[in-house]
Amino acid sequence: ETGVTQSPTHLIKTRGQQVTLRCSSQSGHNTVSWYQQALGQGPQFIFQYYREEENGRGNFPPRFSGLQFPNYSSELNVNALELDDSALYLCASSLREGGYEQYFGPGTRLTVT
Amino acid sequence: GQQLNQSPQSMFIQEGEDVSMNCTSSSIFNTWLWYKQDPGEGPVLLIALYKAGELTSNGRLTAQFGTTRKDSFLNISASIPSDVGIYFCAGPRGGGADGLTFGKGTHLIIQP
Repeated sequence: ETGVTQSPTHLIKTRGQQVTLRCSSQSGHNTVSWYQQALGQGPQFIFQYYREEENGRGNFPPRFSGLQFPNYSSELNVNALELDDSALYLCASSLREGGYEQYFGPGTRLTVT
Repeated sequence: GQQLNQSPQSMFIQEGEDVSMNCTSSSIFNTWLWYKQDPGEGPVLLIALYKAGELTSNGRLTAQFGTTRKDSFLNISASIPSDVGIYFCAGPRGGGADGLTFGKGTHLIIQP
């Protein structure tokens, strides 16, 4: 069984640029959630995708957007990057019919300068 | 939104000691999850609790779903160096199959 994978591992961007982060869900899972984790904090929910549609969103502006593909993999896109967007971005996969248990990937460390 | 408060914020213990930490909420939760995060990695699910009063073990770890449904507890017995890390509690944000809300974590440090 393959776990959740994310790419890239690290990324450095300049303020105002755009970034795309990628996630492959664990085999058998149909739901992907994205989280932002600032240093010293718990993960903050960005949004969730199920059946290629957004299924719930946290308190993040529209410049945070996403996609889910037919193979359940997902992308997180962030436009007009701000310095405060520097964080660890985590992807978690789950089975919608399987309760609330979510399984996380290793994350992408984004630094905005 | 729902907030989870974890205590203590950090713990310095000796190897072999037992550890207790807790998580409280101002609102009722119907699920509690406990995760552990090592530096530079994603959180790893340790235990999931679905019923008030439930007590579930995973090796040396034991977690309890509080009877008020507003708290949960995690105990680690006979701590070892690899227990070092940050422990997070989490619960559903509400509104159906949605994301999770996390506490700020308890940082466990073990002195040999």
